[in-house]
This record gives sequence, structure tokens and C-alpha cells, in this order.
Amino acid sequence: NAGVTQTPKFQVLKTGQSMTLQCAQDMNHNSMYWYRQDPGMGLRLIYYSASEGTTDKGEVPNGYNVSRLNKREFSLRLESAAPSQTSVYFCASSEGQGTFSYNSPLHFGNGTRLTVT
Amino acid sequence: SQKIEQNSEALNIQEGKTATLTCNYTNYSPAYLQWYRQDPGRGPVFLLLIRENEKEKRKERLKVTFDTTLKQSLFHITASQPADSATYLCALDMGYSTLTFGKGTMLLVSP
Repeated sequence: NAGVTQTPKFQVLKTGQSMTLQCAQDMNHNSMYWYRQDPGMGLRLIYYSASEGTTDKGEVPNGYNVSRLNKREFSLRLESAAPSQTSVYFCASSEGQGTFSYNSPLHFGNGTRLTVT
Repeated sequence: SQKIEQNSEALNIQEGKTATLTCNYTNYSPAYLQWYRQDPGRGPVFLLLIRENEKEKRKERLKVTFDTTLKQSLFHITASQPADSATYLCALDMGYSTLTFGKGTMLLVSP
């Protein structure tokens, strides 16, 4: 049981380059999330998808776009990378549907470590 | 907006002792409060969830309390082991929006 799988694990980009971070879950979860984690800042929500076909902005959406490709997959795209986007990116999923987390713990992947030079 | 405070300083304890981690929040009490463990280089892993009408929740050596008057949750690990060394995150679920995470507290258990 793989859970939440993120690719790639590591990536180095030059300023202005673009890339897509991939995330897939095999738990048949309804909701999926993208977080970034920076030292001293904790986990901050970038975008989330409360159900297949919907996406919503989180706390720090600027500079990012997302696609909920199907129920399993949720990708995060950086169109023009900036050094401020150097971070560890985590994808997560939960059983709950809609914006209500309720009794739905998050299941996280092991992250993508992105450096933008 | 909701603010969550976890002690930014690492907690150092000896093996066998009880570790107690604190999560304080401002403003409104959440409907649910969750605790996660994060090891270096890994994603957070869910540990326990406690509802606002529950005072205490236990799971093996773990215990979580929730005091809505004090706006505080305490996370206890009894008979701590070096393998318990990790960063522990609390997260608030207001019931109408996504989770808000604290910055976490690092726990170091020495043999």
C-alpha cells in the first residue's frame, strides 16, 4: 500500500524555469492538498481540492497553479520559479469531502525538496 | 485569524520519563484538534484526533488533552524512548475550513 506518492524527490531549478510536481494517492480519498514547509514557518497550505473537479486557493497560492487530474492525482505547477519558492513541498490526501475536514486525518507524502537558484 | 503556538525550543528528556508538549491557540476553539509526528526528511504522520467535547484521548503510550477554557492541548508520551525523538505538530480543524498547523516542537529523548 503506497499511500501518497510524490515525484520527484529532489529538484533544482534556475529562476524563471517551470516545473510540475506530481502527486498520486491510492486510498480512494476525496480531498487532496499541497503544502509547503519552510524553517520557522511551519506547514502552509498552497492549494487544495475538496473533491474531484474542484480546486481552491489556500494561504499562499501566488506563483502556483494546480490540476486535479482525476480522483487519484493532484499536480502542482510552478510557471516561473523564483528563489522564494525554495522549499519542501508536501502533498496530502484525506477521506473527507468538501472543505470540512471533520474526522479526516491527513495522509502525507514524503515531500519534494525544491531549490531555486 | 487563528494563531497556534507550539514551543519552538526543543524539549530534551531522558528515556523513561513522560514528555509533555503544548499547543496553545487564540480566538475560537476548534471543532477538532489533531497531532502529527514528523521525522527528518519525511512527511507528517497522523497520531491522534480529539474533539472539542472530549477532555482526553489515549492511544497506547500517547495521551492528548483538550482544554477549551485554557485554549490549550497537551500531548503526553509516557515511558518515552529514543525512537520517540521527532517533531510533533498540532493542527486545528475549525470544522468549516482546512487544517491549520502549528510550527511544531522537536522532542529529543536521550538514552
